[in-house]
Amino acid sequence: DAKTTQPPSMDCAEGRAANLPCNHSTISGNEYVYWYRQIHSQGPQYIIHGLKNNETNEMASLIITEDRKSSTLILPHATLRDTAVYYCIVRGLNAGNNRKLIWGLGTSLAVNP
Amino acid sequence: EPEVTQTPSHQVTQMGQEVILRCVPISNHLYFYWYRQILGQKVEFLVSFYNNEISEKSEIFDDQFSVERPDGSNFTLKIRSTKLEDSAMYFCASSPLKSSTDTQYFGPGTRLTVL
Repeated sequence: DAKTTQPPSMDCAEGRAANLPCNHSTISGNEYVYWYRQIHSQGPQYIIHGLKNNETNEMASLIITEDRKSSTLILPHATLRDTAVYYCIVRGLNAGNNRKLIWGLGTSLAVNP
Repeated sequence: EPEVTQTPSHQVTQMGQEVILRCVPISNHLYFYWYRQILGQKVEFLVSFYNNEISEKSEIFDDQFSVERPDGSNFTLKIRSTKLEDSAMYFCASSPLKSSTDTQYFGPGTRLTVL
């Protein structure tokens, strides 16, 4: 089973920031938080990942709480093309043969005009 | 920007037939994966492949499934005798196996319909 909990759906107005929460209270010290999204049954798209520091790239920012039990993905200026299902996944890095991603149901984000 | 590609985009087959789904991973990547997603359900891991052998497989990946890297660029998933319940989107992914990051990058998927 997935080690994360996400709200099933969220709405956001176009141009506003979308803040997507994820709970991973059982995360262990060597596990990273990864975020992917899937636009209407297309292939999952990598967004960002982090261990304990906040991370930012051209797509999004990732804020991880100090105790690492939860995180928030921030899309700073959401557009209609950001409408997708967003997945938060916890996995160990370079974990030998255990490299598989375990997916939950994610958060379905609807960006509204 | 390099991408994972998959062919065909849609495959329709009769129950009991063999199908081969093809993937071209990103060229300098070393680890390869197959996942599937039944309509309306979660993405599920099938198998990972490294150094020309299966690294890990799930319970779904039974004797009806096999993977192969027949040359330096393609990575294939074969289903020997398809069942109705094999109907799903199949996603190939690859990762670079670097020491500091091992992000998996996904292809667009093949929609398999078994009639």
